[in-house]
Amino acid sequence: AQSVAQPEDQVNVAEGNPLTVKCTYSVSGNPYLFWYVQYPNRGLQFLLKYITGDNLVKGSYGFEAEFNKSQTSFHLKKPSALVSDSALYFCAVRDIGVGNFNKFYFGSGTKLNVKP
Amino acid sequence: GAGVSQSPSNKVTEKGKDVELRCDPISGHTALYWYRQSLGQGLEFLIYFQGNSAPDKSGLPSDRFSAERTGGSVSTLTIQRTQQEDSAVYLCASSTSGTGPYEQYFGPGTRLTVT
Repeated sequence: AQSVAQPEDQVNVAEGNPLTVKCTYSVSGNPYLFWYVQYPNRGLQFLLKYITGDNLVKGSYGFEAEFNKSQTSFHLKKPSALVSDSALYFCAVRDIGVGNFNKFYFGSGTKLNVKP
Repeated sequence: GAGVSQSPSNKVTEKGKDVELRCDPISGHTALYWYRQSLGQGLEFLIYFQGNSAPDKSGLPSDRFSAERTGGSVSTLTIQRTQQEDSAVYLCASSTSGTGPYEQYFGPGTRLTVT
């Protein structure tokens, strides 16, 4: 069964320090992988995606993510966190295997707290 | 251009009443999704529309929930005989297509409170 896991409900980091938000996935075929951010009382905003090719993808607001096929992971990273990065982050996967491409599977979300 | 819009932004209703939630996707997007999010938690898939194809209703939690998409554009999610457990934020998203590496664009959501 397709699934996405975000093992940390919350990540705390000091401003200026690097941050990592973890995501692992399980799909039957090859995946498209996505990260979204949700600010309070807002809808989700697209950050970045992995389709194919270079395992390191860069996205909005200085975020990047590394696709690791052997570990089935797609961790979100940023070299230097900002207080304004504090939000709820969701990892999502679309299984491009036949019959499964309709749905996005979302993780449970990780709350990122960046302290000044 | 305009993003995904949803209305109303907030809806308070009494238990047992019917409600309709509206989603206006980005023009030209053929794929439309409805999700439910409870108390800042994860997203629960409800239903998916792709062009003129039959919708994927596999996520609808009960027969009290239904959705339609008219003319391949605006969609309405209807909840009949609302229950308190239906209280949540209902999010709509659209995408260029449901069959490609296309990200979803989300609306701001409708916060439904059933009293």
